[in-house]
Amino acid sequence: GEDVEQSLFLSVREGDSSVINCTYTDSSSTYLYWYKQEPGAGLQLLTYIFSNMDMKQDQRLTVLLNKKDKHLSLRIADTQTGDSAIYFCAESPPTGDSSYKLIFGSGTRLLVRP
Amino acid sequence: DAGITQSPRHKVTETGTPVTLRCHQTENHRYMYWYRQDPGHGLRLIHYSYGVKDTDKGEVSDGYSVSRSKTEDFLLTLESATSSQTSVYFCAISEETSGNTYEQYFGPGTRLTVT
Repeated sequence: GEDVEQSLFLSVREGDSSVINCTYTDSSSTYLYWYKQEPGAGLQLLTYIFSNMDMKQDQRLTVLLNKKDKHLSLRIADTQTGDSAIYFCAESPPTGDSSYKLIFGSGTRLLVRP
Repeated sequence: DAGITQSPRHKVTETGTPVTLRCHQTENHRYMYWYRQDPGHGLRLIHYSYGVKDTDKGEVSDGYSVSRSKTEDFLLTLESATSSQTSVYFCAISEETSGNTYEQYFGPGTRLTVT
């Protein structure tokens, strides 16, 4: 079956870089995603990467994709206290239609210490 | 903001009662999804819809049914609620206006407690 795995917790100091890691299982997933969830809120789409790319940068966010190892990472540069949240990795296995049924990891809680 | 609202935002109900959760969107998106979020499991897909009256099952569909009689509304029904259905339920849509159906945006969630 499909299973996306993430470490449960990461603590960093404000101003440092954070790296959140994820492994996924379906090598045919077309897109891989990172979502952010703040307490009591819904999920916010942070960024995503197409499976034929190795890297995507968007301001303070850098996504690295290693298809051979099915490993995805999210690097947050200059981490701020407002980045404290739960971060979810998700993959999108092919479905045969135009829908995208995301498979989520269980989330990594990022704590940014002042 | 993808114009998604969910109602109610919080509900407490008793075991065995029917419950319907509503997801409403204002931007004519074709694809709508229902997920549940539980500690240690992330989000899991319950059902999804690819158009009016067109729905299909997700990973954890047992005990749930859905209906979509209008583009803007996607209803999730628990015919007879059980304590294992205590969860936070999220609706999502796929952004399609720019052809990007792979971008999913989520509503604020409904916290359901079954006692």
